[in-house]
Amino acid sequence: QVQLQQRGAGLLKPSETLSVTCVVYGGSFSGYYWSWIRQSPGEGLEWIGDVNESGTSKYNPSLKSRVAVSLDKSKKEISLNLASVTAADTAVYYCARGRVVEARWGLYRYILSVWGQGTTVTVSS
Amino acid sequence: IQLTQSPSSLSASVGDRVTITCRASQDISGYLAWFQQKPGTAPKLLIYSTSVLQSGVPSRFSGTRSGTDFSLTISSLQPEDFATYFCQQFSSSPLTFGGGTKVEIK
Repeated sequence: QVQLQQRGAGLLKPSETLSVTCVVYGGSFSGYYWSWIRQSPGEGLEWIGDVNESGTSKYNPSLKSRVAVSLDKSKKEISLNLASVTAADTAVYYCARGRVVEARWGLYRYILSVWGQGTTVTVSS
Repeated sequence: IQLTQSPSSLSASVGDRVTITCRASQDISGYLAWFQQKPGTAPKLLIYSTSVLQSGVPSRFSGTRSGTDFSLTISSLQPEDFATYFCQQFSSSPLTFGGGTKVEIK
């Protein structure tokens, strides 16, 4: 039974860099997409970006200039870094495993079938 | 792609039939999923590809589609079903979510 365990700093000051790590326990690392999603009371659920097993990342255009998602296969870890945070980045951050349900013409569609427990991040001076 | 859920909240009793709708701003074919979320926990996948039940999800949950309109139905509401429900499209990037529907006890 796969589990995603998250860790990361919970309180940041404006302009700092948010870093959250997701560790995969009990399941395969390969063959999946790994996503980051955040949830805030004001903005609801927002997809941040993903990375595939080859290390290729894709990001939400709303955050693309500040975000980096990467993976370390040897440690079975996926990392999220978000630079220059402001109060608007205060949210619960989730990692999730994406299971591919369709692969067609180089386009992969996946479902977010397993989620981490969430990391609450507060940005405040 | 914007997803508009309705209603934003509803009150219902145990045993009631409940339907939540999600409208996509453009064609997403059947690439829609539904999640359930309880306070303090991560969303849980219920249904994907419009109507496919995720493993372990009770059969009282079902999903349908008509064009760009999608519905989640709970045939007989159980006490453990009181939660917030979200739709999510995976047709194209960026993935997007609906605003949520909170199902409360009447």
